[in-house]
Order: sequence, then C-alpha cells, then structure tokens
Amino acid sequence: EVQLLQSGGDLVQPGGSLRLSCAASGFTFNNFAMNWVRQAPGKGLEWVSGIIPSDGNTYYADSVKGRFTISRDNSKNILYLQMNGLRAEDTAVYYCAKVLIPSRPRAPFDSWGQGTLVTVSS
Amino acid sequence: EIVLTQSPGILSLSPGERATLSCRASQTISINYLVWYQQKPGQVPRLLIYGASSRATGIPDRFSASGSGTDFSLTISRLEPEDFAVYYCQQYGSSPQTFGGGTKVEIK
Repeated sequence: EVQLLQSGGDLVQPGGSLRLSCAASGFTFNNFAMNWVRQAPGKGLEWVSGIIPSDGNTYYADSVKGRFTISRDNSKNILYLQMNGLRAEDTAVYYCAKVLIPSRPRAPFDSWGQGTLVTVSS
Repeated sequence: EIVLTQSPGILSLSPGERATLSCRASQTISINYLVWYQQKPGQVPRLLIYGASSRATGIPDRFSASGSGTDFSLTISRLEPEDFAVYYCQQYGSSPQTFGGGTKVEIK
C-alpha cells in the first residue's frame, strides 16, 4: 500500500523558512516523479513544484520560483520542500503527491500525503 | 500558462440526478492530459478519471469524462450520497500544470 507521510508544517513569520518532508513507502520511490500541491484555506488546488527521479530536474510555479526548493533523497525515500522568504500568501495546506505512471515527468497524481498546514503570520 | 475555468461554481442536485460539470481551457489541450479529482471536506483529493476515460482504481462507472480541444466535462450519471463533494480538473500536458477552480456539487 502506498503511503505518503508528511511532516514539517508550522506557524512561521513572514520572511521565515520552513522545510516540509514527505516519507514514502509501498512503492519504488525512485521510479516516480513527485510533486507538491497546496491549498489555501477555503480555496482550490495549486501545483507548487515537481521533481523528476531520473535526472533530478525540478519545476516550480512562478509564485514560488526562487524561494522554494524541491529535493528528494532516494536512499531514504523522502521528498522535501525547502521554503524560504515565506509570505502570507503562502499560507496553505501543502500536499505531497505521487504520479500515477513511472518514469513519466508529468502524470496524474494518484496518491497524496495527508497534508500539512503552513501558516505565515506575524 | 493554461487557465482552466470550471463551471458552475456550485451545482445543487438531488441524489439520483445526473451531474454534468464543465472545465474550459484557455488553450487547446489533449484530453489525454486532462484529469479529474474529487475532494470531500477534510479529505485529500482523490484521482477520479485520467486519460480520455480511464477511471482510477475503485472509481465506479457512474463517473465518466469527455471533451476535446478546450471544452471538457465530467458526468456523474446518478448521484449517490457519497458523490457530494468538490471536483477539480487539472491539465498536465503543458508546464506549469494547472488546476481549475473547482465545482462544488451540493445536495439540493
């Protein structure tokens, strides 16, 4: 059974930093692209970032480019999102998501973490 | 960036009725790269349909999708009580991948 267990959400001041983690199990982690998706309170879904297992290429939404860094540790089966320069508009539940199809850089998200709340406020 | 516009924002229907949800793209996309998710309150999104009409694991056949070009739709043939939720479309054929704003299907 695929499991994505997230941690790291917290209350942080504007301009601060936070690192989210997503521990994966139940599948061959280094075969699948992984992504972060966020959902502001009462709002819809927004894709944030993705990382490809084969070449380590990373992709970002314009709203987070230059501030957020996605990475993965294939030896530990963990996905990370390092968030710097946090803003109030980054307040959201952050989900990690696994793609459906192995070895594809982009594909539907078939498994999601439980979500972790990041609140940016002074 | 491809903008996905979902309509209506809220769809009020009774159990047993047919629901048709719309997703309109700002640019042409292949239906193969258009997917639908369901999200219930307090739950994570769940993949419903991907590709032209492939249902994800465990999704009943009352859910179907269609469309081409810029206009796509999700149909729920007969609403069951557990189908009342928010539905999102997403395209992943063009970077950045984007989501629609969602359609809430509520009990009338």
